[in-house]
Amino acid sequence: GAGVSQSPRYKVTKRGQDVALRCDPISGHVSLYWYRQALGQGPEFLTYFNYEAQQDKSGLPNDRFSAERPEGSISTLTIQRTEQRDSAMYRCASSTYPGVTYEQYFGPGTRLTVT
Amino acid sequence: DAKTTQPNSMESNEEEPVHLPCNHSTISGTDYIHWYRQLPSQGPEYVIHGLTSNVNNRMASLAIAEDRKSSTLILHRATLRDAAVYYCILRDDGGATNKLIFGTGTLLAVQP
Repeated sequence: GAGVSQSPRYKVTKRGQDVALRCDPISGHVSLYWYRQALGQGPEFLTYFNYEAQQDKSGLPNDRFSAERPEGSISTLTIQRTEQRDSAMYRCASSTYPGVTYEQYFGPGTRLTVT
Repeated sequence: DAKTTQPNSMESNEEEPVHLPCNHSTISGTDYIHWYRQLPSQGPEYVIHGLTSNVNNRMASLAIAEDRKSSTLILHRATLRDAAVYYCILRDDGGATNKLIFGTGTLLAVQP
C-alpha cells in the first residue's frame, strides 16, 4: 500500500518568504509526527498530532513554526519569514496509533533550502 | 529522557553476522528499547523493539541484557543493503508523548 508521502520533495525559497510543507500519512493512521534533520545528524522532533489534536509542540524552535492537521489526515508544517538556519530536511512520520509499541513510518522528506 | 550510547561506526563483511551494541545505563522500568535504521538518502525505518525479553523478526534480533542496561542488535547475515546508520532509542511507555529521540547512531559499513 501507499506509504507516507510529502510534498514538495525539494523547496528553494528566499529568506523572509513563508513556506508550507505537506504530509500525507498512511491512510487511517491516527498519529502524525514532524521531525527536522540536519546533514549528518539524526532527526529532531518538532511536533505530534493524534487525529486533529496537536499533542506536543515542544520541539518547534520558535513561533515562526506552526503545524496543523485540521481533518485528522493531511498535515501542513508552515514556516513564516524563513531564515537560512531553517534549511534542513523536514520529515513526516505516521503510526497506526499513539503508544510506544507502534512503529513510526517515515516519508521521503522535503529538502528545504533558504537562500 | 534516558540516554543511549552507541559506537560512532562499525564495519562488517558481507554475509557475516553483525552485533551492534547500545548502552542505556539510566533506563527506567517503563522504557522500551527501539532500533531504527536510516539508509543513505532515505527516511528512518523501524527495525525492532523490545522491553525485557529477546526479540526476533524478519530483519534482525534484539538481545537485551538481564539488567536492561545494554542491548545488542544482531543482523544475522549482513548484506550490502544493510549499510546504514542504526539508532538505538528508548521510548517511555509512561511518558506523555510518543516522539522518537534520535542520537547520532552507529554508521555501519558493509564490505563485499
